Amino acid sequence: GQNIDQPTEMTATEGAIVQINCTYQTSGFNGLFWYQQHAGEAPTFLSYNVLDGLEEKGRFSSFLSRSKGYSYLLLKELQMKDSASYLCAVRPLNTGGFKTIFGAGTRLFVKA
Amino acid sequence: GAGVSQSPSNKVTEKGKDVELRCDPISGHTALYWYRQSLGQGLEFLIYFQGNSAPDKSGLPSDRFSAERTGGSVSTLTIQRTQQEDSAVYLCASSLGVDEQFFGPGTRLTVL
Repeated sequence: GQNIDQPTEMTATEGAIVQINCTYQTSGFNGLFWYQQHAGEAPTFLSYNVLDGLEEKGRFSSFLSRSKGYSYLLLKELQMKDSASYLCAVRPLNTGGFKTIFGAGTRLFVKA
Repeated sequence: GAGVSQSPSNKVTEKGKDVELRCDPISGHTALYWYRQSLGQGLEFLIYFQGNSAPDKSGLPSDRFSAERTGGSVSTLTIQRTQQEDSAVYLCASSLGVDEQFFGPGTRLTVL
């Protein structure tokens, strides 16, 4: 099976940097995704990591270490609009490549 | 349309009734997914369709749940003999291959 663990909630200050961690236990996976979900809205794609290392995209970066079963999402120069849930998701191997398992999400509160 | 659409946006039904939820994916997307999200929780995988392959139904919680995808496009999720624990937001997503998933706005189902 696969377990995905993320902190339930985090609070950070506007303009700061926050790191949201995701650990997973799975026998293997095709890729790791991060999605953002504002309250009452649908998730939107942020990043996709297949290989180990850091993927940077503007204020958001995502890191993956397959050997450690660990990923993080780094948000820089936080803005109030970044208050949302951040969902980590994996596509396990041997499931046809499309089945996607999501973590419970981390609710981020950005305060002034 | 430009994005994934779902209907109805809200559905209130009585316990024991059957409901049908509809999803129109982005044109040309070969993969279509259904998820369920209870209040404050992450996304629970239900089923996915990919091209002409047999769907992966491994996430359907019981035999009351079924889904079909006609002509490789529109999909319908059917819940028979609804129960109160079926109350949730049902999200549909589509993707082109194994890339990012684009989510619809969801159907909020309330079973009284």
